[in-house]
Amino acid sequence: DAMVIQNPRYQVTQFGKPVTLSCSQTLNHNVMYWYQQKSSQAPKLLFHYYDKDFNNEADTPDNFQSRRPNTSFCFLDIRSPGLGDAAMYLCATSRDFGVRNSPLHFGNGTRLTVT
Amino acid sequence: SQQGEEDPQALSIQEGENATMNCSYKTSINNLQWYRQNSGRGLVHLILIRSNEREKHSGRLRVTLDTSKKSSSLLITASRAADTASYFCTSYNQGGKLIFGQGTELSVKP
Repeated sequence: DAMVIQNPRYQVTQFGKPVTLSCSQTLNHNVMYWYQQKSSQAPKLLFHYYDKDFNNEADTPDNFQSRRPNTSFCFLDIRSPGLGDAAMYLCATSRDFGVRNSPLHFGNGTRLTVT
Repeated sequence: SQQGEEDPQALSIQEGENATMNCSYKTSINNLQWYRQNSGRGLVHLILIRSNEREKHSGRLRVTLDTSKKSSSLLITASRAADTASYFCTSYNQGGKLIFGQGTELSVKP
């Protein structure tokens, strides 16, 4: 089945130690998104790629970076994780961007713990 | 800014009852989407209703849309314990992005 896969499901890192979360998709979608979701809060959009074009949200901290080496893979790098970065990180894809009838397909997320 | 705001924030019902969740949005839309999120999981797309539609059904789900009031409702009939989840409404904002509200946390007790 076509899907969005996030690895790992759980990630523990130390305060200040760089960490990378990965996402892959078999849907061949053009757009990939990263959302951050803290407990009982709404998913918050961090950035998205339309193909190779990177689009950062204005309020996304510089501590968060992303890479998309090819259509299938996208990575979220947190350069110096703080305790406040502990959250669920959700990757999503869509066929196109802003297309009015295009739903998002989400992975199951990576829950990041910062010790 | 978020495009959908859900009401109520939390809803607890017994299995077999109907659950109704409401959503209000701010700007004009071309469609509105509802998603479900089980605890510790990603969001799953449930249903999309276009701005020229007033009602749409999918299995036990019924969605209504009132563009004059900028509101939508999601009705789950004959609820099951497996329907326990958070439910979000959203639509593309003017920047072409899907921005989510805090959702309605539905608890269905057996």
